[in-house]
Amino acid sequence: EDKVVQSPLSLVVHEGDTVTLNCSYEVTNFRSLLWYKQEKKAPTFLFMLTSSGIEKKSGRLSSILDKKELSSILNITATQTGDSAIYLCAGRIQGAQKLVFGQGTRLTINP
Amino acid sequence: EAQVTQNPRYLITVTGKKLTVTCSQNMNHEYMSWYRQDPGLGLRQIYYSMNVEVTDKGDVPEGYKVSRKEKRNFPLILESPSPNQTSLYFCASTDGNQETQYFGPGTRLLVL
Repeated sequence: EDKVVQSPLSLVVHEGDTVTLNCSYEVTNFRSLLWYKQEKKAPTFLFMLTSSGIEKKSGRLSSILDKKELSSILNITATQTGDSAIYLCAGRIQGAQKLVFGQGTRLTINP
Repeated sequence: EAQVTQNPRYLITVTGKKLTVTCSQNMNHEYMSWYRQDPGLGLRQIYYSMNVEVTDKGDVPEGYKVSRKEKRNFPLILESPSPNQTSLYFCASTDGNQETQYFGPGTRLLVL
């Protein structure tokens, strides 16, 4: 059974800290892994990663996939209160639009 | 403005009364999906569509139907809703490169 597991489930840090969120996947015919940010509304796309191992960056956010470990990390540096959200990762299956989501990590940034 | 729209945004209904949640996208995307989101379970895919008249089951298709007669629309049909279908539902569409998935605003459904 395809499975995506995120850790931690919840994380509370102070503004300015750096955080690392983890995502491990067991997906047959794996194609890519996606990260999303969900505030009090619909998820918004952050990154798509493949087994190429290329790191993706956007401002203070960065992410990379380790194909040997079947995992990915999402780093956020110099966190701000606006980074507070649920972060979701999902594994995509080759040749299909089937996505398997993890439970999400609830990140809270305190001022 | 590129967007995915869903209607209704909120719906309270009773067990057994058929309902349809509409989803429409204006980006000419081929791929569309429906998800439900429940506390502690995350997002689970109900159905997805690779193109017009091409649909396939996700992880939790029981109790749901979909259709894709036009590229822009992908309605979700609950023929006989039950209380365990109370949830937050998201429609999403994906661009041709399959890199970016756009989510609709969500439909919060309560089945009594």
